[in-house]
Amino acid sequence: DTGVSQNPRHKITKRGQNVTFRCDPISEHNRLYWYRQTLGQGPEFLTYFQNEAQLEKSRLLSDRFSAERPKGSFSTLEIQRTEQGDSAMYLCASSLISSTGWTDTQYFGPGTRLTVL
Amino acid sequence: GIQVEQSPPDLILQEGANSTLRCNFSDSVNNLQWFHQNPWGQLINLFYIPSGTKQNGRLSATTVATERYSLLYISSSQTTDSGVYFCAVEPVTGTYKYIFGTGTRLKVLA
Repeated sequence: DTGVSQNPRHKITKRGQNVTFRCDPISEHNRLYWYRQTLGQGPEFLTYFQNEAQLEKSRLLSDRFSAERPKGSFSTLEIQRTEQGDSAMYLCASSLISSTGWTDTQYFGPGTRLTVL
Repeated sequence: GIQVEQSPPDLILQEGANSTLRCNFSDSVNNLQWFHQNPWGQLINLFYIPSGTKQNGRLSATTVATERYSLLYISSSQTTDSGVYFCAVEPVTGTYKYIFGTGTRLKVLA
């Protein structure tokens, strides 16, 4: 078990460019979450998947944001036409939910720090 | 939606001191976790504690779900305890997302 990994760890881009981040969850985890954290704030929920199904999206997730988890394993978060306000730390987490609905701890990855110039 | 407030917002301690961090939440929750965010931004799990008391070394936590609060105790603090402490709750609303508190920024001086 190597934990949750995220790539890249840092991304600097110019306004208007598209960026894509990748998250690899803990292998047996069926839930995957994306959060965004700006300076001095706690993480804010963006979206989550159970297996390959995207079950909830926050209003923070504008139409420039899209997330996928094509085979229920890794996930990607894409931001199109980046804006300076998108600068933040993007965090991925994973957890295991049982067939009875019992949810385990969420484990977080190290994050991808995005800077939009 | 549910509100999660943490106190104090900032705390400075001398190495070896003890402290108590508090998390208040405005509605019933299914789950509650405490995290330590280190200076590199990594969120480290401390406790998964929807109710009751748990201890892990110098750290312990208590959640009183009926009164909607949780406490994190740090004893004999060390400089490596510095960072931001967050509590996060999963509301009882059929959603599985975590709502994070405002955080307590702790600095432990040598």
